[in-house]
Amino acid sequence: AQSVTQPDIHITVSEGASLELRCNYSYGATPYLFWYVQSPGQGLQLLLKYFSGDTLVQGIKGFEAEFKRSQSSFNLRKPSVHWSDAAEYFCAVGEPGANNLFFGTGTRLTVIP
Amino acid sequence: ETGVTQTPRHLVMGMTNKKSLKCEQHLGHNAMYWYKQSAKKPLELMFVYNFKEQTENNSVPSRFSPECPNSSHLFLHLHTLQPEDSALYLCASSPQLPGNTDTQYFGPGTRLTVL
Repeated sequence: AQSVTQPDIHITVSEGASLELRCNYSYGATPYLFWYVQSPGQGLQLLLKYFSGDTLVQGIKGFEAEFKRSQSSFNLRKPSVHWSDAAEYFCAVGEPGANNLFFGTGTRLTVIP
Repeated sequence: ETGVTQTPRHLVMGMTNKKSLKCEQHLGHNAMYWYKQSAKKPLELMFVYNFKEQTENNSVPSRFSPECPNSSHLFLHLHTLQPEDSALYLCASSPQLPGNTDTQYFGPGTRLTVL
């Protein structure tokens, strides 16, 4: 069965610093991979997704993620964090052709001035 | 994306009450989902509807009853809930093209508190 691990529950970074949020998945084949962001009191917004092709994918708000099959990882990165990036970030994995998405427990990002 | 709306945004109910959550999507999608989001836990998929037909019931207790009258509307009827059912209930939709795993678009959620 698919599963997603986000090892960091909470990360604090300074505004302007770089960011990397980790995501590891368990799935037998190449999954579909997603990163979502959730601001307080809001639903989830899609940041980016990987289905196939180039393993480095660009998303909205300056985020990118890299799929590394050998490490079963899909880490999210941003070169310079803005205060408005403070939110909770969720990694999700889906099986091609299926409805279900499996989500990680999320990483809460705090941005300090 | 603001194409998925949910009402009410907040709901407080007693264990003997009956209430309903409503979700509406304005994206022309064919699949709709209910998720439960509890603190410190991954999102839990509850129900999936494809073209108005329920295709997934993830072992959800019968005190939660979904209804999908058309591809744009999804309801979650609640009765005799327990305090542990307090959570954020998220609705999502996706295009659900055959053979595809589509991006899901989420509503803002209903914050439910059961007293």
